[in-house]
Amino acid sequence: DAGVTQSPTHLIKTRGQHVTLRCSPISGHKSVSWYQQVLGQGPQFIFQYYEKEERGRGNFPDRFSARQFPNYSSELNVNALLLGDSALYLCASSLAHRGNSPLHFGNGTRLTVT
Amino acid sequence: QKEVEQDPGPLSVPEGAIVSLNCTYSNSAFQYFMWYRQYSRKGPELLMYTYSSGNKEDGRFTAQVDKSSKYISLFIRDSQPSDSATYLCAMSAYSGAGSYQLTFGKGTKLSVIP
Repeated sequence: DAGVTQSPTHLIKTRGQHVTLRCSPISGHKSVSWYQQVLGQGPQFIFQYYEKEERGRGNFPDRFSARQFPNYSSELNVNALLLGDSALYLCASSLAHRGNSPLHFGNGTRLTVT
Repeated sequence: QKEVEQDPGPLSVPEGAIVSLNCTYSNSAFQYFMWYRQYSRKGPELLMYTYSSGNKEDGRFTAQVDKSSKYISLFIRDSQPSDSATYLCAMSAYSGAGSYQLTFGKGTKLSVIP
């Protein structure tokens, strides 16, 4: 069975540019979450979506936005990129948005902002 | 004080040793507790998932939760070189609008030496 798939795997952008990251959840999973992992740190929560609705938002600026499509795939958008946005962006899927539905992560998109 | 504290290590042990990894937390609202393993350049892989205080065993892995002390542990028996990775503890609490977001520790980097 295919796990969570993310694209692209690597990306290099310049400050001020915009980026779109994509995620396909595990088949049957209806919830998608996005996390940012800076080198040497644990992942930090950005967004959670369930049934195309935003269910949670972490402490990130409005430059970060996301959406979930009818097929449960998701996009994370980041505008006006800053050097500090360089990180591994992880997508995770789960059956539901409840706490007893554990998250399964993809291998991430490594974003470098120069 | 961070919500979740985890010693980043690095921790180096000989093959066959018993490994003990720990996290402490301050938020008593945390209800679900997880351990993830992350290999270099990969996403976190779910190892163990627990809800209540007590022990849960899966093969060479045992997860322990002590809610009264706000302390969780992961034990690895008969450690193998393939166990060399970063181990992340994570926990979740209800964050409103039906959302459960994960809060991660920094991760402990483990090396098992043949």
